[in-house]
Amino acid sequence: IQMTQSPSTLSASVGDRVTITCRASQSVSSWLVWYQQKPGKAPRLLIYKASILESGVPSRFSGSGSGTEFTLTISSLQPDDFATYYCQQYNYYSPRTFGQGTKVEIK
Amino acid sequence: EVQVVESGGGLVQRGGSLRLSCAASGFNVGDKYMSWVRQAPGKGLEWVAVIHSGGDRKYADSVMGRFTIFRDKSRNTVDLQMNSLRADDTALYYCAKEGYSYGLTGYFDCWGQGTQVTVSS
Repeated sequence: IQMTQSPSTLSASVGDRVTITCRASQSVSSWLVWYQQKPGKAPRLLIYKASILESGVPSRFSGSGSGTEFTLTISSLQPDDFATYYCQQYNYYSPRTFGQGTKVEIK
Repeated sequence: EVQVVESGGGLVQRGGSLRLSCAASGFNVGDKYMSWVRQAPGKGLEWVAVIHSGGDRKYADSVMGRFTIFRDKSRNTVDLQMNSLRADDTALYYCAKEGYSYGLTGYFDCWGQGTQVTVSS
């Protein structure tokens, strides 16, 4: 299953509402997660099962979607949110696959 | 505290071998699905291998037949034996514990800091 994120790079300002899209080449139901990765750091799980916020993740992050189209939304971008975001599908019958990443930069 | 710590990375010649190790604490590796995920310099994330709690193993096509994932319950470790290394295996290798919810695993809720593998040609 191929995962495609858009855009690849996003320029935004503090306080902006930001949306990242992830599309799957075939349905993954709701078996999709989002990670945040900062330079030199390991990825951090933000959202699992498409829309469930991992413990400790700020509520400005939200996820939605099912089937083949998913979105990650940051309701009000904060300085700590400038990072690269990855989606990933999980399914017992197919290899775990990631999107190519979306870099959120300061405008 | 749940954590994993990788070790064993280094510089190796093309065609050579290397064994990575992942030491877990705060949980038993035998109870969880454990994966290796890699990231080439400046690139995205690529899942490499998983060992299920029941012992089944699965691999990415790119490493099938060259890499083997092992588990040692007595040491609470998960290793990745890498043979026939190629230049495109150069990456930061992360060990990751898989989360489980709603009857399915396959996502990564605990990551190590990674160990660098560089394959020279």
